[in-house]
Amino acid sequence: AQRVTQPEKLLSVFKGAPVELKCNYSYSGSPELFWYVQYSRQRLQLLLRHISRESIKGFTADLNKGETSFHLKKPFAQEEDSAMYYCALMGATNKLIFGTGTLLAVQP
Amino acid sequence: NAGVTQTPKFQVLKTGQSMTLQCAQDMNHEYMSWYRQDPGMGLRLIHYSVGAGITDQGEVPNGYNVSRSTTEDFPLRLLSAAPSQTSVYFCASRATDSLYYEQYFGPGTRLTVT
Repeated sequence: AQRVTQPEKLLSVFKGAPVELKCNYSYSGSPELFWYVQYSRQRLQLLLRHISRESIKGFTADLNKGETSFHLKKPFAQEEDSAMYYCALMGATNKLIFGTGTLLAVQP
Repeated sequence: NAGVTQTPKFQVLKTGQSMTLQCAQDMNHEYMSWYRQDPGMGLRLIHYSVGAGITDQGEVPNGYNVSRSTTEDFPLRLLSAAPSQTSVYFCASRATDSLYYEQYFGPGTRLTVT
């Protein structure tokens, strides 16, 4: 079975502080992993995917198969990063399964 | 192009009523899906389709029906609305021939069942 766990419902940091949004997954095969973001009053959109090994808006995420984790990191948070972040996993069935989400609040 | 569109934006139903949430995409995507978003529960997959004429159940299919008669449209039907179906509903689509699997979401339909 596919499962994605995001243990924090809310993460509050000050502007300029480092950010780490946690994501752990359960899947027996080789997963495709993603981070999606939903800014206030906007639709959900893709932030980054592990297969691309990219950095978007200063965010990076590394797939750790040993720890089955895909944590999202940014060294210096900005107020415009405040949003709901969802980790998602796609397995062999092509179904995209989401975690429960973490609300990131960046304080000035 | 418009991407993924959903109608209506808001809807209030009484318990027992039925209705259809509309979803359309103009990107010629084979894969379409419906999610519901609830506080503390994240997004849960209701139904999905890998192409016209093919649908399958997701995590929470009970109380919902779908059909896929064209590539563009993927309506979600609530057969007999219940208060537990109060939620925000998102439709999404993606191409299946892309390595990157980016899924595009609609703006959502906020449904209240009283």
